Amino acid sequence: EPEVTQTPSHQVTQMGQEVILRCVPISNHLYFYWYRQILGQKVEFLVSFYNNEISEKSEIFDDQFSVERPDGSNFTLKIRSTKLEDSAMYFCASSPGLADNEQFFGPGTRLTVL
Amino acid sequence: RKEVEQDPGPFNVPEGATVAFNCTYSNSASQSFFWYRQDCRKEPKLLMSVYSSGNEDGRFTAQLNRASQYISLLIRDSKLSDSATYLCVVTGTASKLTFGTGTRLQVTL
Repeated sequence: EPEVTQTPSHQVTQMGQEVILRCVPISNHLYFYWYRQILGQKVEFLVSFYNNEISEKSEIFDDQFSVERPDGSNFTLKIRSTKLEDSAMYFCASSPGLADNEQFFGPGTRLTVL
Repeated sequence: RKEVEQDPGPFNVPEGATVAFNCTYSNSASQSFFWYRQDCRKEPKLLMSVYSSGNEDGRFTAQLNRASQYISLLIRDSKLSDSATYLCVVTGTASKLTFGTGTRLQVTL
């Protein structure tokens, strides 16, 4: 069964450093998403991406964040200058369409900012 | 008011019990509704979509009341493997999933 994959599974970084989280969505899916979950809290939407551009973003997704689909298979989330409060699990998801199409989640990357 | 509100639990039930979870949402324009399941430190996985007419999938039954902005999930004949956090999820705009904080279920022998 096709699945969303994410690398690395765990990333440790120093405050102020740049990190890039990588995702490979399911191959025939058209919509891609990033969510985050701070430990003990709810899953929060960050951004959605379609047709090589951002279709929606949340208030969390400020200028420190960017997304890219560099090569037709990978989907990346970059955090330019990490803060302590960026420590969270970051989930990538993809879906074939919108609305009631199921979003399939990857296993997540746990980001720890020291 | 929170966008999606759930009782965090935990609900501790014996195997074989029936358990019900409730959820309310604040945006009356919400269009699609789901229950996801999340195991500890894992990704959310879709359990079932929720339709206005109510729907059933094996031991799981979901109901939606649009007038009251209320969603429910009923689990019959609970199994140990049902132990997880159950996430109530709605869509407002076309792409964004809005999650509740989840209700934790622990099924015991």
